[in-house]
Amino acid sequence: AQTVTQSQPEMSVQEAETVTLSCTYDTSESDYYLFWYKQPPSRQMILVIRQEAYKQQNATENRFSVNFQKAAKSFSLKISDSQLGDAAMYFCAYRTYHTGANSKLTFGKGITLSVRP
Amino acid sequence: GAGVSQTPSNKVTEKGKYVELRCDPISGHTALYWYRQSLGQGPEFLIYFQGTGAADDSGLPNDRFFAVRPEGSVSTLKIQRTERGDSAVYLCASSHRGEETAFFGQGTRLTVV
Repeated sequence: AQTVTQSQPEMSVQEAETVTLSCTYDTSESDYYLFWYKQPPSRQMILVIRQEAYKQQNATENRFSVNFQKAAKSFSLKISDSQLGDAAMYFCAYRTYHTGANSKLTFGKGITLSVRP
Repeated sequence: GAGVSQTPSNKVTEKGKYVELRCDPISGHTALYWYRQSLGQGPEFLIYFQGTGAADDSGLPNDRFFAVRPEGSVSTLKIQRTERGDSAVYLCASSHRGEETAFFGQGTRLTVV
């Protein structure tokens, strides 16, 4: 079974600065997807960024980028130029690549990010 | 609809009562998932539908929990004889079959008193 570990329960960043959120995972599969989701107080899980394991290039979405280290099974999220609206819980998640199977997400425990003005 | 809709947004019920939670997925999405998120935790998988059938219900904690999706669109999660430990946020997500990204609703916060 796959597991996702987020060992930092909380982090804080100054507005306009850069912060990195850590995530490690364990799997025996070679092909899979990794995600970062943001959950503000509204509770809705919002997709931040997605990485396909077969791609060597790290995914980037505007101010958000990942550092995907497949051999180390590490998947960290970097948020540049942090904004007050980035304050939320962030979850790392894993999904199998095989579309015929149950494509459920396995989530980490999450990290609470606060942004200081 | 434009997004995944869940109703009610909040539900308070007494221990032992029966509750139903509704999920209306994005139009055309064949895959639908239910997750449960306890306080301070990440969401945990409950059940997965592909069309009308429950393709994987391995995450349902016990036989008090049941879910249906009779027409392959709206789904209802049903909890019988609720217990205080059932208190959590119940999240629903949907996706096109074969697509890697699931879209979530805002969840239903269930409180059992």
